[in-house]
Amino acid sequence: DAMVIQNPRYQVTQFGKPVTLSCSQTLNHNVMYWYQQKSSQAPKLLFHYYDKDFNNEADTPDNFQSRRPNTSFCFLDIRSPGLGDAAMYLCATSRRLSTDTQYFGPGTRLTVL
Amino acid sequence: RKEVEQDPGPFNVPEGATVAFNCTYSNSASQSFFWYRQDCRKEPKLLMSVYSSGNEDGRFTAQLNRASQYISLLIRDSKLSDSATYLCVVNHGNNNDMRFGAGTRLTVKP
Repeated sequence: DAMVIQNPRYQVTQFGKPVTLSCSQTLNHNVMYWYQQKSSQAPKLLFHYYDKDFNNEADTPDNFQSRRPNTSFCFLDIRSPGLGDAAMYLCATSRRLSTDTQYFGPGTRLTVL
Repeated sequence: RKEVEQDPGPFNVPEGATVAFNCTYSNSASQSFFWYRQDCRKEPKLLMSVYSSGNEDGRFTAQLNRASQYISLLIRDSKLSDSATYLCVVNHGNNNDMRFGAGTRLTVKP
């Protein structure tokens, strides 16, 4: 059974048109992460939530926002997607920060036209 | 210096070969270390955690060298199914965020 679910798996949007990616988990983990991964590159952490506490990486553009309305769900909002935002977006969860295994969802591949 | 740096690869090895990957990290305060495996166009999945004393899981052995700030992964008796990208992951230390290496691609050939 899937433990970290991401929808949609593939998303196509137009340049500048807002898009929302969703992630849900059945693990009841405290921490949820959003990563951006471009081809042949490492996953890059955008931000994470520890419970309701939001932690933004210093170099994450303002164009990227996130919401976590409850333990199970977390959303990634891209306000005005640019061509450079085309990537795989990975959601991950862990029980705690730092020392715990992260469980990844299958990712959403975003295409920007 | 990158926070986490891995062997560039790709590694192309025959079935049955032994192959080793290294990963160096810049933050001496890092405490947690992992190897993840990522198949083509799939999500990363935990392969193994890396403990101070080193650890072994079947054909896979992980080692940590704190003095030189690197971790290693050894794969013995390579299988075709081991073909994947292997990601080194290190906790950042100060804010407890994880940092990923760019990955080392392994192809095991018949």
